[in-house]
This record gives sequence, C-alpha cells and structure tokens, in this order.
Amino acid sequence: EVQLLQSGGGLVQPGGSLRLSCAASGFTFSSYAMSWVRQAPGKGLEWISAINYSGSDTYYADSVKGRFTISRDNSKTTLYLQLNSPRAEDTAVYYCATPRGGIYGLFEYWGQGTLVTVSS
Amino acid sequence: EIVLTQSPGTLSLSPGERATLSCRASQSVSQSVSSSSYLAWYQQKPGQAPRLLIYHASNRATGIPDRFSGSGSGTDFTLTISRLEPEDFAVYYCQQYDLSPWTFGQGTKVEIQ
Repeated sequence: EVQLLQSGGGLVQPGGSLRLSCAASGFTFSSYAMSWVRQAPGKGLEWISAINYSGSDTYYADSVKGRFTISRDNSKTTLYLQLNSPRAEDTAVYYCATPRGGIYGLFEYWGQGTLVTVSS
Repeated sequence: EIVLTQSPGTLSLSPGERATLSCRASQSVSQSVSSSSYLAWYQQKPGQAPRLLIYHASNRATGIPDRFSGSGSGTDFTLTISRLEPEDFAVYYCQQYDLSPWTFGQGTKVEIQ
C-alpha cells in the first residue's frame, strides 16, 4: 500500500524558513518523480514543484521559484520542500503527491497534507 | 499557462440524481500523436487530500466506481456522475497535465439540495 506521511508544517514568520518532509513507503520511491501541490485556505489547488526520480532535475511554478527548493533523499525514501523567505500568501495546506506511472503532472497518490501558516 | 474554467461553481442535487460537471481549457490539452487528452478529474472532501478519479479524460483510476465517467477532447471536457450517492457530495477539480505548469480548475462543489 502506497503511503505518504507528511511532517514539518506549522507557523513561520515572513522571511523565515521551514522544511516540509514527505516519507514514502509501499512503492519504489527512487523510480518515481514527486511533486508538491498546495491549497490556500478556502481556495483551489496549485501545483508548485516537481523533482525527477534521481533529484537531478527540478521544476517550479513561478509563484515559488527562487524561494522554495525541492529535494529528495532516496536512501531515506523522503521528499523535502524547503520554504525560504515565505510570504503571507504562501499560507496553505501543502501536499506531496506521486505521479501515475511516468506522467509527472498526473497525481495518483497524495499525502495527508500539512498546514503552513506564514504570520508574524 | 493553460487556464481551466469549471462550470457551474455549485451544483445542488439530490441523491440518485445525475451530475454533469464541465471543464474548459484555454488551449487544447489533447496529444495529436497518441490521441490522448491529458485531463484529469479529482474529488476532494473537507479536510481530506484530493483523490484521483479520472485520467486521460475518460479512464477511471483504480477503485473508482463506474458511476463516474469522463468524456471530451481538445478543450471541452465533462465529468458525469450517473447516480449520486451520499458520499459523492464534495468538490471536484479538473486538471491538465499536458503542459507545465500543470494547472487546476477552480472547482465545482456538488452539494445536497
């Protein structure tokens, strides 16, 4: 059974930093790309970042490019998202997600989500 | 960026009724070579992560009941729920994965009338 267990959310000050984690199990983590998708309170879904199976290629939405960093540790089967200099508009529930097969942008399995609140 | 527009915003129906949800893309999300449409539908209930229902416009994901069906190509797509069950009242999102950044529609809420 595929499981994605997220941790690391919470309150962060504007301009601070926070790292989100997504521990994967039940599939060959090192063979699949991974993504982060977020959802602001009461709003819709927004894809923000993806990483290929090895970690050598990363992709970002313009809204987070240059501020957030996606990475992975295949030995620990864990995905990360480093939030640097977050803004109030980054307040959201953040989800990690796996693709269906080799299709990066098609999200088959999702983590439970973790809330990030950016506020002073 | 491909913009997806869903309609209606809210659908008020009773259990047992048929639900028809629409999604329109600002440009085609269909692949001419494979003839596949890179359009998915997700269901989201309050406090839960989204759940993949339909991919390639018309293929049901694993474990999805056959009362859910998807259709369409190019820029116009439809999700149909043939007979609403109590657990189907939720928000539904369409999403394109043809071109990065991968984008979602704003959602359609299916509520109990």
